[in-house]
Amino acid sequence: GQNIDQPTEMTATEGAIVQINCTYQTSGFNGLFWYQQHAGEAPTFLSYNVLDGLEEKGRFSSFLSRSKGYSYLLLKELQMKDSASYLCAVKDSNYQLIWGAGTKLIIKP
Amino acid sequence: ETGVTQTPRHLVMGMTNKKSLKCEQHLGHNAMYWYKQSAKKPLELMFVYNFKEQTENNSVPSRFSPECPNSSHLFLHLHTLQPEDSALYLCASSQEAGESYEQYFGPGTRLTVT
Repeated sequence: GQNIDQPTEMTATEGAIVQINCTYQTSGFNGLFWYQQHAGEAPTFLSYNVLDGLEEKGRFSSFLSRSKGYSYLLLKELQMKDSASYLCAVKDSNYQLIWGAGTKLIIKP
Repeated sequence: ETGVTQTPRHLVMGMTNKKSLKCEQHLGHNAMYWYKQSAKKPLELMFVYNFKEQTENNSVPSRFSPECPNSSHLFLHLHTLQPEDSALYLCASSQEAGESYEQYFGPGTRLTVT
């Protein structure tokens, strides 16, 4: 079967750095997405990786290793507004999006 | 403003009721999706429409009936639902299905079945 694993919950301190990991086993690979979802709101697109390496977008970076079936989302200079759930999703060989259950990130002052 | 709107935002219905969820996208996209989101579970893809044609139906019970009259509008018709159908129903759109385009989500309809 196809599977996406990410931690259920993480806690970090305002101003610090946090890394949210995602491992996947899918039938084929056509890209990996990270989305942010604040409580009661729509998921919003953060990043897309299809080649190995690091993609940087301001305070957020996303890394991919296809050989290891692994990605992480790195959030720097954490702000209280970064408290949200972070969803990892992989496009399989049929371009179907397989979703993880999300990581709830709690930021403390 | 995500460009994808959903109505209603909240819905409480009895098991014998019939109701419809509406989604509209203002992004000029050609693909639209219905997802079910339950607490602490991955998003469950229900239906996909690409250029108004249904391309995915992920073994969804017949008490959920989608309708896509044009590329900008998507409906989910509900009838004789069960309490376990209570969840957040999210609509999304993308440039096309079957490619690696990001999806844009609406705010969802919080459905409670009593």
